[in-house]
Amino acid sequence: RKEVEQDPGPFNVPEGATVAFNCTYSNSASQSFFWYRQDCRKEPKLLMSVYSSGNEDGRFTAQLNRASQYISLLIRDSKLSDSATYLCVAPKGAGGGNKLTFGTGTQLKVEL
Amino acid sequence: GAVVSQHPSWVICKSGTSVKIECRSLDFQATTMFWYRQFPKQSLMLMATSNEGSKATYEQGVEKDKFLINHASLTLSTLTVTSAHPEDSSFYICSARAGRGGRNNEQFFGPGTRLTVL
Repeated sequence: RKEVEQDPGPFNVPEGATVAFNCTYSNSASQSFFWYRQDCRKEPKLLMSVYSSGNEDGRFTAQLNRASQYISLLIRDSKLSDSATYLCVAPKGAGGGNKLTFGTGTQLKVEL
Repeated sequence: GAVVSQHPSWVICKSGTSVKIECRSLDFQATTMFWYRQFPKQSLMLMATSNEGSKATYEQGVEKDKFLINHASLTLSTLTVTSAHPEDSSFYICSARAGRGGRNNEQFFGPGTRLTVL
């Protein structure tokens, strides 16, 4: 099983829609997770950290389900500017630590 | 947030040459820097972890003699791709972490260097 798995998409949604992505992770000992956003040919940028049961930041909500080992990202009222690839990130290896492992990303396209 | 710069932004070189990429943390001291590689439509793959003043730790399958890493100060790490070949063409991204681990593993990424080897 991969350390982090994501549906690659692409997800094409109309502007204003609500869309959710899921990501599963294999290391049950992992404590902290992240969602990064990556635009085409650019570096990843931190969108949200995900701790405990989840958190909300404006139109974005991240949730963590430890029992099922998945995290989700919900985007409400999607904007054209939300079009990007969303990377699910977990600590790499056993016991967490400083390294991160990235999912392959889920591509989102928001259309008029 | 913290700023990480990376130079050059892109480089095109001939096969067999060596290319050095610099990664700098501009407004914080980075105890640890990471080097990633990303091929088209693939995820970031961690290549190595660089700690200031000590040898880098390479991930499995990454040749340490081909990808030389030097972390000479708390604000600078360099990656040298030696004897580059076309298969080394990729997007190389560095990141830097300010703290000493713990719960917050946030890494700040440089803008990346696109390497094309002819």
